[in-house]
Amino acid sequence: DTEVTQTPKHLVMGMTNKKSLKCEQHMGHRAMYWYKQKAKKPPELMFVYSYEKLSINESVPSRFSPECPNSSLLNLHLHALQPEDSALYLCASSHQGGGYTFGSGTRLTVV
Amino acid sequence: EDQVTQSPEALRLQEGESSSLNCSYTVSGLRGLFWYRQDPGKGPEFLFTLYSAGEEKEKERLKATLTKKESFLHITAPKPEDSATYLCAVRPGGSQGNLIFGKGTKLSVKP
Repeated sequence: DTEVTQTPKHLVMGMTNKKSLKCEQHMGHRAMYWYKQKAKKPPELMFVYSYEKLSINESVPSRFSPECPNSSLLNLHLHALQPEDSALYLCASSHQGGGYTFGSGTRLTVV
Repeated sequence: EDQVTQSPEALRLQEGESSSLNCSYTVSGLRGLFWYRQDPGKGPEFLFTLYSAGEEKEKERLKATLTKKESFLHITAPKPEDSATYLCAVRPGGSQGNLIFGKGTKLSVKP
């Protein structure tokens, strides 16, 4: 298995909703990442997990809450988002020092 | 400050017209330079990793090269299916696995 699987592919949520994005990989990668990408912009790092521990939080607002239940799973819990949070959310994983394998992303729209 | 600059921002080619994309970087202790291809609404697809000056990698019509200050992605006899945004990213020394992305080059190949 050489893929990173993200669900759902599309999500529309209201500003008072609570939702979660899920990411799964079975490549044995011990580093996992959440990136946010706005249209026509490069991906921006949000969080890094290394060996299931949060190692980087790029000053992301607390309405985004990451979770790494085990070495294969990564979640991003969403609460009280704003319309400007609408974006493509990308999950990626890597071996230490290696290139990333990205998932196909979740297209999030906040209404 | 670690920085990645890609040029041109957009490139239009005729099918079969070879060209090169540039990625210049300023980074403290390069631990890898990565090229990705991204189609609209999809996650980036890994193409190449380069680690040291003088290194070259090839895949079909694409060839990536690396110097101490920049990398080139050469596209030989492109086809319309090569149309995509090409992203360059670097991993700085001392990073916890996170990558710094350039803004990308949007390539359009017309038949």
